[in-house]
Amino acid sequence: DTGVSQDPRHKITKRGQNVTFRCDPISEHNRLYWYRQTLGQGPEFLTYFQNEAQLEKSRLLSDRFSAERPKGSFSTLEIQRTEQGDSAMYLCASSPEGAGGNTGELFFGEGSRLTVL
Amino acid sequence: DAKTTQPTSMDCAEGRAANLPCNHSTISGNEYVYWYRQIHSQGPQYIIHGLKNNETNEMASLIITEDRKSSTLILPHATLRDTAVYYCIVRASNAGGTSYGKLTFGQGTILTVHP
Repeated sequence: DTGVSQDPRHKITKRGQNVTFRCDPISEHNRLYWYRQTLGQGPEFLTYFQNEAQLEKSRLLSDRFSAERPKGSFSTLEIQRTEQGDSAMYLCASSPEGAGGNTGELFFGEGSRLTVL
Repeated sequence: DAKTTQPTSMDCAEGRAANLPCNHSTISGNEYVYWYRQIHSQGPQYIIHGLKNNETNEMASLIITEDRKSSTLILPHATLRDTAVYYCIVRASNAGGTSYGKLTFGQGTILTVHP
């Protein structure tokens, strides 16, 4: 399967613990995005990478959240000192957009569902 | 990006056309209309997008009104597998490549296709 891969698919943790999610984008996609989706709502943008550079972070991304894409390939999203309000689906997407323009099509993974008890 | 308004839910009989409306009355001249859908427990899936002209692909057709203030996504022969949340998104696109895939999702329309 050459789609966007996310791991783990489900994570249950206790409040105060740290969690890390991994995203493997489609090969050669230089753009990678993280979104968060709570029950009954549409996905909300969190952050965006072009290659290894993190170019934008949403105000939703508090200082407990950190995302990296060290070699411009896979990315990790870490949440420190989790709170119950962090319970959500964390979606990763990638796109081949580059200097030549874009179609606006994002390829999403199936998400990592976090439950904070 | 301009805001969109969609009905909360719609029903459609299997085999019939599903017509999903979207209002985007504040759309700007450089903003495209995108449609994504999200099947339960999956990530969103791109369907189609357009600027002014009507568009068609293997999944759906997109009809944009002449004033561009509204659009309709048409699934010509809905199947049970088309049951999903459908999102209409308006987004600026910079042909110079400086824009990127930051999409603003609303709550979408829950489409239920029944036998």
